[in-house]
Amino acid sequence: DTAVSQTPKYLVTQMGNDKSIKCEQNLGHDTMYWYKQDSKKFLKIMFSYNNKELIINETVPNRFSPKSPDKAHLNLHINSLELGDSAVYFCASSAGATSGILIGTQYFGPGTRLTVL
Amino acid sequence: DQQVKQNSPSLSVQEGRISILNCDYTNSMFDYFLWYKKYPAEGPTFLISISSIKDKNEDGRFTVFLNKSAKHLSLHIVPSQPGDSAVYFCAASARKTSGSRLTFGEGTQLTVNP
Repeated sequence: DTAVSQTPKYLVTQMGNDKSIKCEQNLGHDTMYWYKQDSKKFLKIMFSYNNKELIINETVPNRFSPKSPDKAHLNLHINSLELGDSAVYFCASSAGATSGILIGTQYFGPGTRLTVL
Repeated sequence: DQQVKQNSPSLSVQEGRISILNCDYTNSMFDYFLWYKKYPAEGPTFLISISSIKDKNEDGRFTVFLNKSAKHLSLHIVPSQPGDSAVYFCAASARKTSGSRLTFGEGTQLTVNP
């Protein structure tokens, strides 16, 4: 039973294409995140949703658009892909600001390796 | 501005010995710290955490120490096992001001030799 799952695991595409990465969690968490791990291996927050509401929106190009249809899902859509978008994208979830106990403890998916040619 | 730093990109220890991974931070608002372990082609896995009201937290072979005055934390693994070989990320959050937002260090590759 995978707690946080992402699809696809690998994504190879041409520059200029539009692609989506899906994320689902079955932990009952109400907060979900997208991170990007670049070539230098830094993990950087991109977005966070709490109860389907955007609460963190870092400085990322507006070609990146997260969508949260419900608490258990947070998808990432990327328009007009560029070479620099090549990275590993991780989804994560946590119990969020209301829990008081698990706040800050995030559980990660396996990652999606995006390669833009 | 890198607020969380792991200055050792790699560490190699013998099986059975102690592994000590270090992490420094600059933001005095950080009040919750976590360590994650990451194997290749997998997502980071939560290992252990510590609140700023404590200076030590222990879970089995893993102990995290926090020195707030020095803005330094360390992860001790005793005894180290070959299966501990992975990249270890230190992370911090300022829960009162930034909620659950985590800032990660750049990671330390630990290799435990049999």
